[in-house]
Amino acid sequence: IQMTQSPSLLSASVGDRVTLSCKAGQNINNYLAWYQQKLGEAPKLLIYNANSLQTGIPSRFSGSGSGTDYTLTISSLQPEDVATYFCQQYNSWTTFGGGTKLELK
Amino acid sequence: QVRLKESGPRLVQPSQTLSVTCTVSGFSVTSYHVSWVRQPPGKGLEWVGAIWKGGSTDYNSALKSRLSISRDTSKNQVFLKMNSLQTDDTGTYYCAKQKYSGAYFDYWGQGVMVTVSS
Repeated sequence: IQMTQSPSLLSASVGDRVTLSCKAGQNINNYLAWYQQKLGEAPKLLIYNANSLQTGIPSRFSGSGSGTDYTLTISSLQPEDVATYFCQQYNSWTTFGGGTKLELK
Repeated sequence: QVRLKESGPRLVQPSQTLSVTCTVSGFSVTSYHVSWVRQPPGKGLEWVGAIWKGGSTDYNSALKSRLSISRDTSKNQVFLKMNSLQTDDTGTYYCAKQKYSGAYFDYWGQGVMVTVSS
């Protein structure tokens, strides 16, 4: 299943509400996860099953969506949120999106 | 505390075989599934394959002919072997724990960067 993330690059200011998009090539039944990857580090699980927050992840991160369209929202961007964000579908085997790089404006 | 750590060569010659070991702690490889995921430099993530808690394996269909994943339950280790390496196999290889079969990855190792070059 093809996963398409947009935008590929996003610039935002501290305190902004940020929305990242992930679109699946077919219905993935909410079997979607979001990961944060900081430079030189392994990915970290943020959200699973489209909207469940992983333990220890700040509540400013949230996930939503259904069917083929999903969103990761950061309610108030913090400097430590600068990273690349990947979505992953696990409805049929598993595939990842190409990533959205989030930088500070 | 759950931990995964990859170890293996940093440089492999073209056409040779890559062997990477994932040593886990904090859980048993007979209780949870472990996958391999790779990432070319500056690019996205690609699932390579998995060994399920029962010992069976599944592989990315594009890589299947070159792959072998196995484990040593006494040492709580998982092994990745990939043969006939080419330059586009260069990247960071991660092992990751899965919550359940075919699911998301809740813990990741730090990764090992492998360069395929002569």
